[in-house]
Amino acid sequence: EIVLTQSPATLSLSPGERATFSCRASQSVNSYLAWYQQKLGQAPRLLIYDTLNRATGIPARFRGSGSGTDFTLTISSLEPEDFAVYYCQQRSDWPYTFGQGTKLEIK
Amino acid sequence: QVQLVESGGGLVKPGGSLRLSCAASGFTFSSYVMSWIRQAPGEGLEWISYISISGSSIYYGDSAKGRFTMSRDNAKNSLYLQMNSLTAGDTAVYYCATGSQNYYYIDVWGKGTTVTVSS
Repeated sequence: EIVLTQSPATLSLSPGERATFSCRASQSVNSYLAWYQQKLGQAPRLLIYDTLNRATGIPARFRGSGSGTDFTLTISSLEPEDFAVYYCQQRSDWPYTFGQGTKLEIK
Repeated sequence: QVQLVESGGGLVKPGGSLRLSCAASGFTFSSYVMSWIRQAPGEGLEWISYISISGSSIYYGDSAKGRFTMSRDNAKNSLYLQMNSLTAGDTAVYYCATGSQNYYYIDVWGKGTTVTVSS
């Protein structure tokens, strides 16, 4: 099973700042990596797929990058609605797995 | 609009069984690979299983193998998850889900149904 390790566990930032999330895979997932945002009491929302493609309706401030085993999600300038938990997910090999999540909180 | 509605969750004793259902609407259900994904309280996400369009191929994660059975009825636009031999570790919100552009990147989620395993 491919293990995805996200860091940091918690990110404390202010609106307007830049947020950077890391996801490291235990083996190469090629470019088959996605990012999700989840708010309390809601289902996750797909942000990025295949490393760098924004899902429908996702603002341009969300950007994905990386390859192989190391991936990054960047939010260029935080909006109040961006504070949530973020997960990465791989579809390279079954079972498809998620990282443990990074909580983005308001500083 | 595209909608997935899960049902069948509830409180069950350890060792018990439960059958979850998911009703799909607003899209051609019979053209999509479907998945069950769960989330334990305060925890991350776990992809339990997925089923092919025809239902002939089903893939299970280790936690579901031998205990859970996934199925679909394309005529009824419905997805099912039969869960047996439940333990406290199965306590979670269970989501029915699919990907509208790529089956394995989930952008269509139900609201989830809660399963609680406790004596």
